[in-house]
Amino acid sequence: DADVTQTPRNRITKTGKRIMLECSQTKGHDRMYWYRQDPGLGLRLIYYSFDVKDINKGEISDGYSVSRQAQAKFSLSLESAIPNQTALYFCATSGTGAYQPQHFGDGTRLSIL
Amino acid sequence: SQKIEQNSEALNIQEGKTATLTCNYTNYSPAYLQWYRQDPGRGPVFLLLIRENEKEKRKERLKVTFDTTLKQSLFHITASQPADSATYLCALGNRDDKIIFGKGTRLHILP
Repeated sequence: DADVTQTPRNRITKTGKRIMLECSQTKGHDRMYWYRQDPGLGLRLIYYSFDVKDINKGEISDGYSVSRQAQAKFSLSLESAIPNQTALYFCATSGTGAYQPQHFGDGTRLSIL
Repeated sequence: SQKIEQNSEALNIQEGKTATLTCNYTNYSPAYLQWYRQDPGRGPVFLLLIRENEKEKRKERLKVTFDTTLKQSLFHITASQPADSATYLCALGNRDDKIIFGKGTRLHILP
Protein backbone atom coordinates (compact mmCIF):
# COMPACT_ATOMS: atom_id res chain seq x y z
CA ASP A 1 0.00 0.00 0.00
CA ALA A 2 1.15 3.50 -0.81
CA ASP A 3 2.39 5.60 2.12
CA VAL A 4 0.81 8.78 0.71
CA THR A 5 -2.52 8.27 -1.04
CA GLN A 6 -4.31 10.88 -3.10
CA THR A 7 -7.90 10.68 -4.27
CA PRO A 8 -9.16 10.99 -6.89
CA ARG A 9 -6.33 10.22 -9.33
CA ASN A 10 -8.12 11.98 -12.17
CA ARG A 11 -10.94 14.49 -12.22
CA ILE A 12 -12.62 16.44 -14.96
CA THR A 13 -15.02 19.15 -13.92
CA LYS A 14 -16.56 22.41 -15.04
CA THR A 15 -15.76 26.02 -14.28
CA GLY A 16 -17.39 27.25 -11.11
CA LYS A 17 -17.67 23.86 -9.41
CA ARG A 18 -16.32 23.21 -5.93
CA ILE A 19 -13.74 20.45 -5.83
CA MET A 20 -11.98 18.68 -3.01
CA LEU A 21 -8.80 16.70 -3.37
CA GLU A 22 -7.92 14.39 -0.53
CA CYS A 23 -4.64 13.14 0.85
CA SER A 24 -4.01 10.56 3.52
CA GLN A 25 -0.73 9.19 4.81
CA THR A 26 0.44 6.24 6.86
CA LYS A 27 3.95 7.53 7.46
CA GLY A 28 3.12 9.13 10.80
CA HIS A 29 4.55 12.46 9.62
CA ASP A 30 3.41 15.74 11.13
CA ARG A 31 4.20 17.87 8.09
CA MET A 32 2.03 17.84 4.99
CA TYR A 33 2.10 19.88 1.80
CA TRP A 34 0.07 20.56 -1.33
CA TYR A 35 1.81 21.41 -4.62
CA ARG A 36 0.72 21.94 -8.17
CA GLN A 37 2.88 21.02 -11.13
CA ASP A 38 2.54 22.68 -14.51
CA PRO A 39 4.65 22.08 -17.62
CA GLY A 40 7.48 24.61 -17.70
CA LEU A 41 6.74 25.88 -14.18
CA GLY A 42 7.76 22.99 -12.01
CA LEU A 43 6.38 22.27 -8.55
CA ARG A 44 4.84 25.22 -6.71
CA LEU A 45 3.73 25.16 -3.10
CA ILE A 46 0.06 25.95 -2.43
CA TYR A 47 -0.31 25.31 1.31
CA TYR A 48 1.56 23.49 4.02
CA SER A 49 0.85 22.31 7.54
CA PHE A 50 3.48 21.51 10.15
CA ASP A 51 0.95 19.96 12.52
CA VAL A 52 -2.81 19.62 12.93
CA LYS A 53 -3.25 23.14 14.29
CA ASP A 54 -0.84 24.81 11.90
CA ILE A 55 -1.81 25.89 8.36
CA ASN A 56 0.32 28.17 6.22
CA LYS A 57 -0.01 29.71 2.79
CA GLY A 58 2.53 28.83 0.18
CA GLU A 59 3.60 30.59 -2.98
CA ILE A 60 0.26 30.33 -4.84
CA SER A 61 -2.59 29.98 -2.33
CA ASP A 62 -5.14 32.30 -4.00
CA GLY A 63 -8.22 30.36 -5.09
CA TYR A 64 -7.43 27.41 -2.81
CA SER A 65 -8.19 26.42 0.77
CA VAL A 66 -7.10 23.48 2.90
CA SER A 67 -8.24 21.51 5.90
CA ARG A 68 -6.09 19.36 8.17
CA GLN A 69 -8.64 16.97 9.61
CA ALA A 70 -6.14 14.79 11.46
CA GLN A 71 -2.43 14.10 11.48
CA ALA A 72 -2.95 11.69 8.60
CA LYS A 73 -5.36 13.71 6.45
CA PHE A 74 -4.92 16.96 4.55
CA SER A 75 -7.44 18.06 1.93
CA LEU A 76 -7.26 20.77 -0.71
CA SER A 77 -10.36 22.60 -1.94
CA LEU A 78 -11.00 24.73 -4.96
CA GLU A 79 -14.05 26.79 -3.99
CA SER A 80 -14.96 27.83 -7.53
CA ALA A 81 -12.75 26.15 -10.08
CA ILE A 82 -11.39 28.05 -13.06
CA PRO A 83 -9.61 26.67 -16.16
CA ASN A 84 -6.16 27.95 -15.17
CA GLN A 85 -6.31 25.66 -12.15
CA THR A 86 -5.99 22.73 -14.54
CA ALA A 87 -2.80 21.02 -13.37
CA LEU A 88 -1.27 18.01 -11.69
CA TYR A 89 -1.64 18.27 -7.91
CA PHE A 90 0.65 16.53 -5.45
CA CYS A 91 0.41 15.96 -1.74
CA ALA A 92 3.63 15.37 0.21
CA THR A 93 4.66 14.63 3.78
CA SER A 94 7.86 15.00 5.72
CA GLY A 95 9.10 14.25 9.18
CA THR A 96 9.93 16.95 11.69
CA GLY A 97 13.53 17.89 12.24
CA ALA A 98 15.95 19.51 9.91
CA TYR A 99 16.55 18.52 6.32
CA GLN A 100 13.89 15.85 6.03
CA PRO A 101 13.04 14.57 2.54
CA GLN A 102 9.53 14.92 1.21
CA HIS A 103 7.43 11.88 0.35
CA PHE A 104 4.95 12.42 -2.45
CA GLY A 105 1.72 10.81 -3.49
CA ASP A 106 1.17 9.92 -7.14
CA GLY A 107 -0.85 13.01 -7.85
CA THR A 108 -4.31 14.07 -8.99
CA ARG A 109 -4.68 15.14 -12.58
CA LEU A 110 -7.34 17.86 -12.55
CA SER A 111 -8.92 19.28 -15.68
CA ILE A 112 -11.33 22.20 -15.51
CA LEU A 113 -13.38 22.86 -18.60
CA SER B 1 13.67 36.93 -6.27
CA GLN B 2 14.81 33.40 -5.50
CA LYS B 3 15.57 31.39 -8.58
CA ILE B 4 16.60 27.81 -9.32
CA GLU B 5 17.68 26.82 -12.79
CA GLN B 6 18.20 23.32 -14.05
CA ASN B 7 20.20 24.03 -17.11
CA SER B 8 18.71 21.54 -19.53
CA GLU B 9 15.08 20.88 -20.14
CA ALA B 10 16.09 17.55 -21.67
CA LEU B 11 19.30 15.58 -21.93
CA ASN B 12 20.14 12.55 -24.10
CA ILE B 13 22.97 10.30 -22.96
CA GLN B 14 24.26 7.07 -24.43
CA GLU B 15 23.88 4.01 -22.24
CA GLY B 16 26.98 3.30 -20.18
CA LYS B 17 28.13 6.93 -20.13
CA THR B 18 27.96 9.30 -17.18
CA ALA B 19 24.99 11.64 -17.13
CA THR B 20 25.60 15.02 -15.48
CA LEU B 21 22.73 17.32 -14.55
CA THR B 22 23.20 20.87 -13.29
CA CYS B 23 21.28 22.91 -10.75
CA ASN B 24 22.13 26.61 -10.33
CA TYR B 25 20.53 29.06 -7.95
CA THR B 26 20.48 32.79 -7.24
CA ASN B 27 19.27 35.02 -4.41
CA TYR B 28 19.13 32.11 -2.01
CA SER B 29 21.26 30.81 0.83
CA PRO B 30 20.42 27.14 1.12
CA ALA B 31 21.17 25.05 4.16
CA TYR B 32 20.83 21.92 2.03
CA LEU B 33 19.99 20.66 -1.41
CA GLN B 34 18.01 17.59 -2.40
CA TRP B 35 17.64 15.65 -5.63
CA TYR B 36 14.45 13.80 -6.62
CA ARG B 37 13.50 11.48 -9.46
CA GLN B 38 10.08 11.67 -11.10
CA ASP B 39 8.68 9.08 -13.49
CA PRO B 40 5.70 9.83 -15.76
CA GLY B 41 2.44 9.65 -13.86
CA ARG B 42 4.17 9.37 -10.49
CA GLY B 43 5.18 11.69 -7.70
CA PRO B 44 8.81 12.70 -7.14
CA VAL B 45 10.95 10.26 -5.17
CA PHE B 46 13.77 11.47 -2.93
CA LEU B 47 17.27 10.36 -3.94
CA LEU B 48 19.97 12.30 -2.10
CA LEU B 49 20.51 15.20 0.27
CA ILE B 50 23.66 17.26 0.59
CA ARG B 51 24.26 19.92 3.24
CA GLU B 52 25.87 23.32 2.69
CA ASN B 53 29.05 22.26 4.47
CA GLU B 54 29.43 19.11 2.35
CA LYS B 55 31.19 19.03 -0.99
CA GLU B 56 30.16 15.62 -2.26
CA LYS B 57 27.76 12.77 -1.50
CA ARG B 58 27.56 9.34 -3.12
CA LYS B 59 24.96 6.60 -3.22
CA GLU B 60 25.60 3.62 -5.44
CA ARG B 61 25.91 5.02 -9.00
CA LEU B 62 24.80 8.49 -7.95
CA LYS B 63 27.06 11.36 -6.96
CA VAL B 64 26.09 14.88 -5.97
CA THR B 65 28.39 17.86 -5.55
CA PHE B 66 27.52 21.18 -3.96
CA ASP B 67 29.51 24.37 -4.46
CA THR B 68 28.04 27.25 -2.46
CA THR B 69 30.56 29.68 -3.96
CA LEU B 70 29.46 28.90 -7.51
CA LYS B 71 25.87 28.43 -6.27
CA GLN B 72 25.70 25.16 -8.13
CA SER B 73 25.05 21.46 -7.64
CA LEU B 74 26.00 18.74 -10.08
CA PHE B 75 24.18 15.39 -10.12
CA HIS B 76 26.01 12.50 -11.78
CA ILE B 77 24.73 9.05 -12.75
CA THR B 78 27.60 6.78 -13.70
CA ALA B 79 27.26 3.73 -15.95
CA SER B 80 23.85 5.02 -17.01
CA GLN B 81 21.09 2.60 -17.96
CA PRO B 82 17.81 3.04 -19.86
CA ALA B 83 16.01 2.51 -16.53
CA ASP B 84 17.59 5.77 -15.33
CA SER B 85 15.47 7.68 -17.84
CA ALA B 86 13.23 10.02 -15.86
CA THR B 87 12.87 13.66 -14.85
CA TYR B 88 15.24 14.77 -12.11
CA LEU B 89 14.37 17.68 -9.82
CA CYS B 90 16.65 19.62 -7.55
CA ALA B 91 15.26 21.32 -4.46
CA LEU B 92 16.83 23.87 -2.12
CA GLY B 93 15.97 24.06 1.57
CA ASN B 94 16.76 26.79 4.07
CA ARG B 95 17.15 26.63 7.83
CA ASP B 96 13.40 27.10 8.30
CA ASP B 97 12.89 24.00 6.15
CA LYS B 98 11.20 25.97 3.39
CA ILE B 99 11.92 24.16 0.13
CA ILE B 100 11.79 25.39 -3.44
CA PHE B 101 11.97 23.08 -6.45
CA GLY B 102 13.58 23.48 -9.83
CA LYS B 103 11.62 22.73 -12.98
CA GLY B 104 13.47 19.49 -13.63
CA THR B 105 15.58 17.96 -16.36
CA ARG B 106 14.21 15.12 -18.51
CA LEU B 107 16.97 12.57 -18.90
CA HIS B 108 16.85 10.01 -21.72
CA ILE B 109 19.37 7.17 -21.68
CA LEU B 110 19.67 5.82 -25.18
CA PRO B 111 20.29 2.08 -25.61
